[in-house]
Parts: sequence; C-alpha cells; structure tokens
Amino acid sequence: DTAVSQTPKYLVTQMGNDKSIKCEQNLGHDTMYWYKQDSKKFLKIMFSYNNKELIINETVPNRFSPKSPDKAHLNLHINSLELGDSAVYFCASSRGRVTTEQYFGPGTRLTVT
Amino acid sequence: SQQGEEDPQALSIQEGENATMNCSYKTSINNLQWYRQNSGRGLVHLILIRSNEREKHSGRLRVTLDTSKKSSSLLITASRAADTASYFCATDPLQGAQKLVFGQGTRLTINP
Repeated sequence: DTAVSQTPKYLVTQMGNDKSIKCEQNLGHDTMYWYKQDSKKFLKIMFSYNNKELIINETVPNRFSPKSPDKAHLNLHINSLELGDSAVYFCASSRGRVTTEQYFGPGTRLTVT
Repeated sequence: SQQGEEDPQALSIQEGENATMNCSYKTSINNLQWYRQNSGRGLVHLILIRSNEREKHSGRLRVTLDTSKKSSSLLITASRAADTASYFCATDPLQGAQKLVFGQGTRLTINP
C-alpha cells in the first residue's frame, strides 16, 4: 500500500487555467505538507497543515490555495496558472508538529504552456 | 533564505568506493536529516541526527554532525549502482517556524 499518494502524476495545462492536485496519506500522521521543487532541484515548503489547521504558509501567491478536508488529505488548488508555476509538487506527511522524518509522495510534475 | 548547502553539487565514483557528501548550514538547529531522491521519485528519509549527537550509523550510511562548524557529512560505504540518486540535507532550525529547510542536493552517480 502506498503511504503517501498524489494525483495526477503529470499535469500539462495552459496558462490561465485552474487545476488541482490531490494528496492522501494512510500513515495516520497529523501533519501534511506541500513542497515545490524547481528545475534546479531546490525544494521549498509552501504549506503545512496539522489536524486540518494551517500552520505554515510561506510566501506563496494567493493563486495557490490548500484545502484539508480531513487529516488524511491535503489538496492544492492553483488558479490562473502561470509559466513560472511549472515545477514538481510534492506532498509529504509526518507525525505531530515537531519536525521528525517526513514521508513524501511521488510528486506531480506540472507543466504550464 | 536557503539554510543547507550541499557540497559537492555532483559526485561520480566507481562502484565499491565510498562516497562522502557534506552539508553546511547557517543557524542553530534541533536536528538535521538526510534524504535520498531517485530520478523521478519522491524523497526518502535516510537518517536523522539530533543536535546533541555527533555520529549516527544506519547500514552502510554514516552521518556526522559538527554543530560548532554548522556542518554535517553523509558517508556511503561500499557504494552500489542502486545508490545513484540525489542526496539532500534538511535542517530543523531552532528558531522560527517548525519546518524543514532543504539544501539543493548532491547528485551522486555510481559507475559500474
């Protein structure tokens, strides 16, 4: 069974469109994250949720909106996509709010044309 | 700003040799973690070392931490082709928001 899963794995879309990426974890973890990895492999946190509560919101454009319907799911909705949004987006989870080891999903490669 | 910086950015060695990667960081930390990322995959946690620890082992992996120099190293002994991947250090800063800050990684290639 996959611990942290994301859908879709690949997403190709045009500028201006709205898209969503879904994430689910079956580890029973309380905390979930969204990261963005750029073309130079630099991984940067975007958001973090603990038990459905937003605890970290980095300097991310308002076009990005995370939603956590329950503690096992954290979705990412992106409005008005721009070329610069092209990247690989990773979901991750961990136990509790203390930064222990994190478990990552396989990633969603977003390409905006 | 970026906390961890790995060195070298890329490393290519022969199978069976040892590989050493270094990580430097800027601020005091609670712990430091190493992750591996295979091409096209998510990151996989390898080892966590706390600020009061100096060395930790896990199988063929050996991690050291020098808080006075704000640096860590990851040693992979007797490398295998399957070790080919990117390796990232991530720091949990003592001050500020509870989040991991990742470096840009070392790209390790093991040649058969």
